[in-house]
Amino acid sequence: EVQLVESGGDLVQPGGSLRLSCAASGFPFSNFRMNWVRQAPGKGLEWLSNIGPSGSTISHADSLRGRFTISRDNAKNSLYLQMNSLRDEDTAVYYCARDRDYYGSGTYYRAFDLWGQGTMVTVS
Amino acid sequence: DIQMTQSPSSLSASVGDRVSITCRASQSIGSYLNWFQQKPGKAPELLIYAASVLYSGVPSRFSGSGSGTDFTLTINSLQPEDFATYYCQQSYSTLWTFGQGTKVEIK
Repeated sequence: EVQLVESGGDLVQPGGSLRLSCAASGFPFSNFRMNWVRQAPGKGLEWLSNIGPSGSTISHADSLRGRFTISRDNAKNSLYLQMNSLRDEDTAVYYCARDRDYYGSGTYYRAFDLWGQGTMVTVS
Repeated sequence: DIQMTQSPSSLSASVGDRVSITCRASQSIGSYLNWFQQKPGKAPELLIYAASVLYSGVPSRFSGSGSGTDFTLTINSLQPEDFATYYCQQSYSTLWTFGQGTKVEIK
């Protein structure tokens, strides 16, 4: 089955750290870009980070100010998010999402076509 | 960053109604626009990419249109399973941004 499964969410004190994991199965993980997206309780979606297939290309949302780091281990079909200096406002459900190219009208379009079920991080 | 603004923030509609949701980008993004549906307690699901292309398995009552800065998601003949929150997302810049969401509720 093609799926993404997040884990590692927990209750953590402000200033603490946490490492989230996302296990991929059913597709060639090393061929795909991957992302982390979060959703605070009752709020909308916020993109956090993107990593290329080999891990050499990374981008982060400016709002993170270097506190979060995305990484991957293709041998383990896993994506990670290291979160440091956690704040109350980091409380959210964290999703991993696959980033795929779709070709149309002479160009490629990107879309998040596969999402995990999410893992809850509570900072309090 | 490219800002995405959806309207309305919420709407009430009945089964069988036609519903339209608007998404506006702060700069021209061509057709680099995706739409997602999210139900309570669930992950978002891709509905439409490239502004108007229906993702595999998505019912044909969903359609997308627009280019540049103004986009629309239309649901023809609203079904009970369509009551959810809908988000637009720009894919023009890899500093991805989402709209704030539109909640479609039962009237």
